Amino acid sequence: DTEVTQTPKHLVMGMTNKKSLKCEQHMGHRAMYWYKQKAKKPPELMFVYSYEKLSINESVPSRFSPECPNSSLLNLHLHALQPEDSALYLCASSQRTEYQETQYFGPGTRLLVL
Amino acid sequence: EDKVVQSPLSLVVHEGDTVTLNCSYEVTNFRSLLWYKQEKKAPTFLFMLTSSGIEKKSGRLSSILDKKELFSILNITATQTGDSAVYLCAVANYNQGGKLIFGQGTELSVKP
Repeated sequence: DTEVTQTPKHLVMGMTNKKSLKCEQHMGHRAMYWYKQKAKKPPELMFVYSYEKLSINESVPSRFSPECPNSSLLNLHLHALQPEDSALYLCASSQRTEYQETQYFGPGTRLLVL
Repeated sequence: EDKVVQSPLSLVVHEGDTVTLNCSYEVTNFRSLLWYKQEKKAPTFLFMLTSSGIEKKSGRLSSILDKKELFSILNITATQTGDSAVYLCAVANYNQGGKLIFGQGTELSVKP
């Protein structure tokens, strides 16, 4: 089973709203990732968590706040977003970061900021 | 700066054709190269390549890596309309703790 689940599938929010994206995996993976993908572009890495600790932050604006409550769950808290933040947000997981193993992606949350 | 370049950027073929997608890279401390297929939503994993010259196959898809010339190809034989997708190539190195460097993708359209 290589399933990563994400909720919600779609989200529409205003610029003053606070919302959260959720990602879950039950493969025993210890590395989890958030990516942002705009139309016709490849995924861009935002954050990496390794053993529940933030290991990479790709200079993401503070209006995006990641959280890893346990080894199976990854959240992305959103606050005061801008219309240009509208995109597909993908979560991925892999066994470890120190050995390159395959990253498995969730189906994504399509976010529209009005 | 590390980079991954895919070609062509888009391709239109007819069912039954064979296609070859290219991925070249300039990455320090190369660790592995991965191919993904992306339809409407999530990229789905196809292959991971770490050694030169060893072909990986899955049905009508196959891929090979050349670490001397710094490229990989993805072949699809007897294409079907269900192969229509964006194919992403990504490279990992030892420096960057799990980070994948993606190419721009090749958009493949298979016409009936």
